[in-house]
Amino acid sequence: GAGVSQSPSNKVTEKGKDVELRCDPISGHTALYWYRQSLGQGLEFLIYFQGNSAPDKSGLPSDRFSAERTGGSVSTLTIQRTQQEDSAVYLCASSARGGSGGDFYEQYFGPGTRLTVT
Amino acid sequence: AQSVTQPDIHITVSEGASLELRCNYSYGATPYLFWYVQSPGQGLQLLLKYFSGDTLVQGIKGFEAEFKRSQSSFNLRKPSVHWSDAAEYFCAVGARSGFQKLVFGTGTRLLVSP
Repeated sequence: GAGVSQSPSNKVTEKGKDVELRCDPISGHTALYWYRQSLGQGLEFLIYFQGNSAPDKSGLPSDRFSAERTGGSVSTLTIQRTQQEDSAVYLCASSARGGSGGDFYEQYFGPGTRLTVT
Repeated sequence: AQSVTQPDIHITVSEGASLELRCNYSYGATPYLFWYVQSPGQGLQLLLKYFSGDTLVQGIKGFEAEFKRSQSSFNLRKPSVHWSDAAEYFCAVGARSGFQKLVFGTGTRLLVSP
């Protein structure tokens, strides 16, 4: 079946504008993750969804960042009032289940959205 | 807090030569351990993982990794590198409790020379 897809693949925006990044996980996967890959910070966790709820938002860098997931499927990461330091590749991953207490389920990554803030 | 160190930013290996990429982690107990590969413009692909049991794990594309608890290491190896192995390699850890977010190292870029 299809893998994780993300759109757009590239986004160039002006500083101060809002952007929305979309992630379509693998069908049936209940867990969804957002990561950010930037030159200065490497790969860092942003937020985790189990179904439509987000029990771990600890990686969101500021209140300009938010994410939602609807219908237990598609997720949108929104960045308000973008800054140049938001320029990065935003990666989405999904796994069959979220796992906790000793279980760990393989995360499958999408190709990412490259965000450039000018 | 968990952390992962990949001390080599770049490594150049001749095609056909062996490869070892280093990974050290800091964690209160033995975490879950992973190696991912990222080709230019692509997402991350899982090469192999260690959960428990045999400390030498086999992965895809002829890669293997050995978990050494005493050294807190999980080094990636391949006996004979192919030009198509040129990519960036990431070591990652996941906690054995709580939610399964991954903590990544900074990556090692592998260049393969003819």
